[in-house]
Amino acid sequence: EVQLVESGGGLVKPGGSLRLSCAASGFTFSSYSMNWVRQAPGKGLEWVSSISSSSSYIYYADSVKGRFTISRDNAKNSLYLQMNSLRAEDTAVYYCARDGIAARAPEYFQHWGQGTLVTVSS
Amino acid sequence: DIQMTQSPSSLSASVGDRVTITCQASQDISNYLNWYQQKPGKAPKLLIYDASNLETGVPSRFSGSGSGTDFTFTISSLQPEDIATYYCQQYDNLPPTFGQGTKLEIK
Repeated sequence: EVQLVESGGGLVKPGGSLRLSCAASGFTFSSYSMNWVRQAPGKGLEWVSSISSSSSYIYYADSVKGRFTISRDNAKNSLYLQMNSLRAEDTAVYYCARDGIAARAPEYFQHWGQGTLVTVSS
Repeated sequence: DIQMTQSPSSLSASVGDRVTITCQASQDISNYLNWYQQKPGKAPKLLIYDASNLETGVPSRFSGSGSGTDFTFTISSLQPEDIATYYCQQYDNLPPTFGQGTKLEIK
């Protein structure tokens, strides 16, 4: 069974940093592209970032480019999101999501974690 | 960015009803369109990928169709457990973008 478990969320002040982690199990992690998708309270879904299976291709939403860094450790079956210069508008539940295939760019988000809440507030 | 417009934004229907949600893309996206279901407090769940392919394990009352700019998601016979918000998502161009969601309620 595919499992994705996010951690690292919490309350942080504007301008602060946070590192999210996603522990994967139940599949060959190194074979799939991975993504972060967020959802602000009461709002819709917003794709944040994607990383290909071997980290060769990395993409970001314009809203986080230059502030967030996605990475993965295939030996540890883990996905990360380093978030710097956080803003109030980054407040959201952040989901780790596995792509359906090992594509260069994100396609469909086949499996999702339960999410971790990031709150940016003074 | 490609804009995805869903309609309606909310919908109330009775158990057993046929329910249809539409999704329109701001430009041609071929069949690069997916549908998700999100129940309150839960993560989204993939239902349909590539416009019409049913994800493994998803009940056959769910279906999708369309290509180009106009897409349709259908529940053939609404069940109480289908109460959720439904999102379409395109991946023809980066960034992948979602529709604003359609909240489905029981009448």
